[in-house]
Order: sequence, then structure tokens, then C-alpha cells
Amino acid sequence: QVQLQESGPGLVKPSETLSLTCTVSGGSISSYYWSWIRQPPGKGLEWIGYIYYSGSTNYNPSLKSRVTISVDTSKNQFSLKLSSVTAADTAVYYCAGGGISVVRGVISQKFDYWGQGTLVTVSS
Amino acid sequence: SYELTQPPSLSVSPGQTASITCSGDKLGDKYACWYQQKPGQSPVLVIYQDSRRPSGIPERFSGSNSGNTATLTISGTQAMDEADYYCQAWDSSTSYVFGTGTKVTVL
Repeated sequence: QVQLQESGPGLVKPSETLSLTCTVSGGSISSYYWSWIRQPPGKGLEWIGYIYYSGSTNYNPSLKSRVTISVDTSKNQFSLKLSSVTAADTAVYYCAGGGISVVRGVISQKFDYWGQGTLVTVSS
Repeated sequence: SYELTQPPSLSVSPGQTASITCSGDKLGDKYACWYQQKPGQSPVLVIYQDSRRPSGIPERFSGSNSGNTATLTISGTQAMDEADYYCQAWDSSTSYVFGTGTKVTVL
């Protein structure tokens, strides 16, 4: 069973860069698409971006200018960097993985696996 | 950008049927997923490809999608089903899009 674990600082200062890593265990990182998703306290889910093991990425247009997602296949890890953070970036950050396929001509996707989430607070 | 809208809340009595809607432009032309999130926990996939249940998800969870609306139905709702539910779809401009979320209360 694939398991995901986020790691990184829980407190980041305004204007600095938020950095998180997700370690994938129980399966190969080459098997799925890997995403970062966040959830501000008391609010809904927001997809940040994904990476494939090949290094191909796709980002939420609303965050694209500040986001970088990278992968280290040798360590079965992928990482998130979010620059120039503000208090609005305070959230629980989840890493998640799942497949993307085409079924009857339509893209089918899902998040099968989720990390436990890590709260990142932006404050001075 | 593509948006998915859900009712903020829904109350249901134990044993009754809960129907949670998710609205988006031509959503029926896309595949919808549904996630259940209990307080303090990570989301769990309960429906994918509109109506397919992952292994381990009870049969009381079902889904449909047509026109502009996807629906998650919980038949014979149990107290353990009290949670937030999010729909999600793929859009060519935004990739993954989540719905606004619905809090289901069983009382």
C-alpha cells in the first residue's frame, strides 16, 4: 500500500519561500502523478500543481508564478517550493498521488493516495 | 477558470438518503470524483469516473453525472458518514478543480 509523508518547516516568514517534501513509500514514484494540494483553516481544497516522474509539471494558473515542484526518483520524493508567501498561504498542505488516463475519449483522474497533511503557518 | 459549486451544508436523518450536488459548466462531459473528509483527517476517495467505487468503499455510496450536475448519493446514511464532501473534475485550462465542499450532518 502506497503511503505518503510530508515534511518541512511548520512556520515560514512573510516574503520567504515555503519548502516541503513528500516521501513516497510502499510503491514506485514512477507509477502515478504526484500533486500538492492545500487547505486553509476552515476552508476548501485547492490544487497547487503536479509532477510526473519524468519531470513534467503542471501548475494551478493562480499560483503558477510562485510555484516550483520537483522530483527526486532516487529518493522516491517530490518537493514543493512556494515563493513570496503571505498570510494567505497559511494552510494544511497535502501531498497526493493518483492516475491520469483517457477513458472513452475523456480524461479520467483521481487522487488515490494522500499524505496526512502538514500545517504551514506564515507569520513573522 | 472552471468552477464547481456545491451547497455549503446538508442535513440528513440516519437511515435516510443524502444527495449532494456539484454544478459546473458541461460537467457531464467530464468525469467527476468525490472525496470524503472527516475533521482532522485527509480526504478519502469515495467515487471516481462519475460512479465507480474504490475498493473498500461501502455500496451505500453512489454517483451520477449528467448535464451540468454531478451527484453523490449516500443511501441509508450512517452517523459515520458525517463529514465534508468535495467533488473534483479535470478541466483543460485549470487541470484539477475541486468543488466548494458540502458539510453533511447526520441528525
